[in-house]
Amino acid sequence: RKEVEQDPGPFNVPEGATVAFNCTYSNSASQSFFWYRQDCRKEPKLLMSVYSSGNEDGRFTAQLNRASQYISLLIRDSKLSDSATYLCVVNGPDYKLSFGAGTTVTVRA
Amino acid sequence: NAGVTQTPKFRVLKTGQSMTLLCAQDMNHEYMYWYRQDPGMGLRLIHYSVGEGTTAKGEVPDGYNVSRLKKQNFLLGLESAAPSQTSVYFCASSSPKRTSGRSEQFFGPGTRLTVL
Repeated sequence: RKEVEQDPGPFNVPEGATVAFNCTYSNSASQSFFWYRQDCRKEPKLLMSVYSSGNEDGRFTAQLNRASQYISLLIRDSKLSDSATYLCVVNGPDYKLSFGAGTTVTVRA
Repeated sequence: NAGVTQTPKFRVLKTGQSMTLLCAQDMNHEYMYWYRQDPGMGLRLIHYSVGEGTTAKGEVPDGYNVSRLKKQNFLLGLESAAPSQTSVYFCASSSPKRTSGRSEQFFGPGTRLTVL
């Protein structure tokens, strides 16, 4: 079983729409969680950390459900520039990160 | 600040050839990592280093070697390249926040390697 699993999508949404997707993780001892963004053929970049109580960063909202071991990301009022692959990332021992394969989001005009 | 840089950006090798990928960071980070990314798969950790002079195996270390002689540099070597090593290689660095356990990793732009 993969440590982090994501729905690969693609999620194809119109501008202004709301899109949400989840990832699940297998290690119940995981303590830190993140969403990274990766544009086509570019390096991953941190989008936001995910905190236990849930957190927002502008149009982005992240939630953590420890009991069910899943993390979610919601994007409101989608922009064309939100088109990317979103990587779910879980921190392990020695500050190593486990990456999901990514969820692809395409926002169309 | 250049952040994390990688050289080369692209490379084509023949099976059995060797090469070294160089990663450099100017953020004084303690930790450095080498990943490979293949289609449909998440980034997989090859080797990592928690400080100058130390290295450790990650998830997929076979066929690769690493060295961290200087804090700012992390080298990834392929001694005898195989077609299965065709991939995009990313280097990353971080400075772990031990109090919170959180640690953002900063990535280089990647090296696209093709082994024929």
